[in-house]
Amino acid sequence: GAGVSQSPRYKVAKRGQDVALRCDPISGHVSLFWYQQALGQGPEFLTYFQNEAQLDKSGLPSDRFFAERPEGSVSTLKIQRTQQEDSAVYLCASSLATFSSGANVLTFGAGSRLTVL
Amino acid sequence: GENVEQHPSTLSVQEGDSAVIKCTYSDSASNYFPWYKQELGKGPQLIIDIRSNVGEKKDQRIAVTLNKTAKHFSLHITETQPEDSAVYFCADLNAGNMLTFGGGTRLMVKP
Repeated sequence: GAGVSQSPRYKVAKRGQDVALRCDPISGHVSLFWYQQALGQGPEFLTYFQNEAQLDKSGLPSDRFFAERPEGSVSTLKIQRTQQEDSAVYLCASSLATFSSGANVLTFGAGSRLTVL
Repeated sequence: GENVEQHPSTLSVQEGDSAVIKCTYSDSASNYFPWYKQELGKGPQLIIDIRSNVGEKKDQRIAVTLNKTAKHFSLHITETQPEDSAVYFCADLNAGNMLTFGGGTRLMVKP
């Protein structure tokens, strides 16, 4: 597609529910990132994929967070047993090449706003 | 870990005036410094970037300067327009090949 597509755009969950957030990166983009953006703050890194391989998951805040990209394109971020502190906008971004090449642009989706009641 | 400080957190200017946003970083190995603009309900959009082998870069009304010795870089917007109103984020790409973002600056341009 023309851009990075994320769904759902808005999700309200009751505390304890599981949620799944989907990211469709730009077709052909190798690198995919998930960021968490709390209200009024900058995005914070969660995890990074190069094709289907999850190369870095150091930013995932707890073992309730899980991300996958099984075929190297669409990615899903899953949050189990949601807590109120999980409320945030979850941003997905992709880039054409491996990001370490330093020669490419990171394109963000519009984000999925999660509210946990 | 890497830390990026951004100032000011809010900035209000009159249309036509200039706006300057400053960031400092801690990792001396950082080599790529992008700036993003985020409008309400949208994801961050890259507006300009600079690499560590360049001291200044300009694109129409926006420019970025980099001082590697002092570990700071700045965004300059001249002749501001109401449509420049948004939240701006600086970021750096550090040795871990991850983008670390500043806390953001809310720019308000008054017509």
